[in-house]
Amino acid sequence: GQNIDQPTEMTATEGAIVQINCTYQTSGFNGLFWYQQHAGEAPTFLSYNVLDGLEEKGRFSSFLSRSKGYSYLLLKELQMKDSASYLCAVVDSNYQLIWGAGTKLIIKP
Amino acid sequence: GAVVSQHPSWVICKSGTSVKIECRSLDFQATTMFWYRQFPKQSLMLMATSNEGSKATYEQGVEKDKFLINHASLTLSTLTVTSAHPEDSSFYICSARGGGDTGELFFGEGSRLTVL
Repeated sequence: GQNIDQPTEMTATEGAIVQINCTYQTSGFNGLFWYQQHAGEAPTFLSYNVLDGLEEKGRFSSFLSRSKGYSYLLLKELQMKDSASYLCAVVDSNYQLIWGAGTKLIIKP
Repeated sequence: GAVVSQHPSWVICKSGTSVKIECRSLDFQATTMFWYRQFPKQSLMLMATSNEGSKATYEQGVEKDKFLINHASLTLSTLTVTSAHPEDSSFYICSARGGGDTGELFFGEGSRLTVL
């Protein structure tokens, strides 16, 4: 079966760095998305990786290793507004999105 | 970037009535749109894939006669919750696949449905 695993909840301190991991087992791979979702709102796009390596976008970076079925989202200089759920989603061989359950990130002052 | 507009943002209705939610892609054509449901503190659950000009593809366990999906044009898909019941109260979100290299999924703002 297809499976996306990410931690249910993480806590970090304002100003610090946090890494949210995502491992996947899917039928084929056509890319991996990271989305941010605040409570009661729709998800917003953060990143898309289809090749191995690290992609940096300001305070957010995303890494992919296809051979390991592994990705992480790195958030630097954490701000209180970064408190949200972070969703990992993989595009499988049929171009369907397989979603993880999301990681709730709690930022403490 | 591309924008997907969803309307209404929230709606309260009586049990037994029907509610229609619209999803529009404002600056691009979307041959495929997706409808999700999200209960509090739970992940997005794909309900159906809406294909322009053809019948929607429903996920297992989703009643197609209860959740009517119409994708009449390349920029509009509608979800109608028929004979709504309190257990249908949820956050309904649509999305549309953009073009380009990433084929990014753009989400609507979501519609909060409360059935009394």
